[in-house]
Amino acid sequence: AQKVTQAQTEISVVEKEDVTLDCVYETRDTTYYLFWYKQPPSGELVFLIRRNSFDEQNEISGRYSWNFQKSTSSFNFTITASQVVDSAVYFCALRRTQGAQKLVFGQGTRLTINP
Amino acid sequence: GAVVSQHPSRVICKSGTSVKIECRSLDFQATTMFWYRQFPKQSLMLMATSNEGSKATYEQGVEKDKFLINHASLTLSTLTVTSAHPEDSSFYICSASVGPSTDTQYFGPGTRLTVL
Repeated sequence: AQKVTQAQTEISVVEKEDVTLDCVYETRDTTYYLFWYKQPPSGELVFLIRRNSFDEQNEISGRYSWNFQKSTSSFNFTITASQVVDSAVYFCALRRTQGAQKLVFGQGTRLTINP
Repeated sequence: GAVVSQHPSRVICKSGTSVKIECRSLDFQATTMFWYRQFPKQSLMLMATSNEGSKATYEQGVEKDKFLINHASLTLSTLTVTSAHPEDSSFYICSASVGPSTDTQYFGPGTRLTVL
C-alpha cells in the first residue's frame, strides 16, 4: 500500500522567514514519482514539481527548493524568504510508475504567511 | 500549456436533482482524466479514473450509479451526480494527464457543489 504523511497540519510564519514543509511517504515499489502541489484559496491545484525516485538530486526553483532523501523516504519542500502570496495549502503526492496513474495525496499543510 | 477547465465553478441544486460537471483539457488531448472529491480542510480523494472511450474505473466505496462518468472525447469528461443529497455537497476537482506515458496530472479549478 502507498501512503503519504504530512505531519504538519498548519504552519504560520512571518513574511521573509524560511519555512520547510515535511513529507514522508511509504511504498513497496522500487520506482515511483513524488509531487508537490499548491492549492491557493481559489481551490485550483497548481503543479510545483515532479521527482522520479531514481533521481535524488535536490532541486531549486527560485525561492522554492526540494530535498529528496530516499533513505528516510522524505521529500521536503522549503520556501525561502516567504511571501504573503505563498499562503496556501500544499499537498505532497505519490504515484506508481507502473499501472494505474492514481495519485495518493497527503493530508496537506496549510501555510499562512503573515505580513 | 496543459490547461484544464471545469464548468460550472459553483452550483447549487435541490435535493433529488442531478448535476453535471464538465472537465475539459483546453490545449492538449487527455487520454486519461481523473475525478477527485475534497471535503473542507481535507485532502483529495480519488473517485474514479476515466479513460477515453471506455468505462471509468471507480475507487472502492464510490457508487457507480450515483456518480456517472463519461469520457466521450480526448478533451472532455463529465461527472454527473444523480439524485443529489446534501451529503454530496463537496468540492469536485478533475485532472488530466497530458498523454498516456506522461506522469504529471494537471488539475482543473474545481466545482463547488451545494445540495440544499
